Amino acid sequence: QVQLVQSGAEVKKPGASVKVSCKASGYTFTSYGISWVRQAPGQGLEWMGWISAYNGNTNYAQKLQGRVTMTTDTSTSTAYMELRSLRSDDTAVYYCARDLSGLSAFDIWGQGTMVTVSS
Amino acid sequence: QSALTQPASVSGSPGQSITISCTGTSSDVGGYNYVSWYQQHPGKAPKLMIYEVSNRPSGVPDRFSGSKSGNTASLTISGLQAEDEADYYCSSYTSSSTPWFGGGTKLTVL
Repeated sequence: QVQLVQSGAEVKKPGASVKVSCKASGYTFTSYGISWVRQAPGQGLEWMGWISAYNGNTNYAQKLQGRVTMTTDTSTSTAYMELRSLRSDDTAVYYCARDLSGLSAFDIWGQGTMVTVSS
Repeated sequence: QSALTQPASVSGSPGQSITISCTGTSSDVGGYNYVSWYQQHPGKAPKLMIYEVSNRPSGVPDRFSGSKSGNTASLTISGLQAEDEADYYCSSYTSSSTPWFGGGTKLTVL
C-alpha cells in the first residue's frame, strides 16, 4: 500500500542539527512532491517546505530559510529534511506528507518523528 | 503572517450536523479553490478529508462535505459519530505560492 515511513525520535542540544528521513513505498516516488509539516506540543500544524521528487526543486517557508534543507534520494525513494541551529522552539513532531497536486493538499502522511531540543 | 482563522472548539450530539468555518483573505481562501481539510486524532498523523474545497478522497465517508463562500471555507459533518471526535485543520494555498494552515478546531461529540 502507499505509505511514508519516517525515521525514529531524536534528542538534540541547542545549536545542533537534525536530519529526518521519509521512505516512500507503493507509488512512483518521482511523480509527487513531498512537503514537511511540523507540530509543536499542543499546537497546530506548520508547513515547513516542499521538494519535488522529480527534479529536486524546493520551496521553503520564509521563517525557516537558511536553516532548513530538503533533499531526496530517488534510488531509495527517500526524502530528507535537515534543520540546523536548533532551538528549544523547534521541539515538535515532524511529518512528511505527499503533495497531491501543487501544494493544494497532502494525501499521504508519515507517522511523524518527534524531535526534542533540550540542553 | 497569520494562520487561517478557525473556531477553537465546536460540539454536537451523535446524529447531529456541525459546521467548522475557516476564514482567510482574498490572498488565500478567497483567491484559490485549493482549500483542504484534515482530521487528526490524538497522537496520530493528520488525515486528508477534503481537497480542492469539496472533493473527498477515496474512503472518506460522504458525511463529510466542504464548501466555500468568499473568503470563508466550511467543513460540514452530518450524522455525527463518536469516532468523528478529533481536531480538524483547514489549509489553503496562498498568493505567496505556499500553503498555510488554520489554527485547528477541537470537535467534541457529546
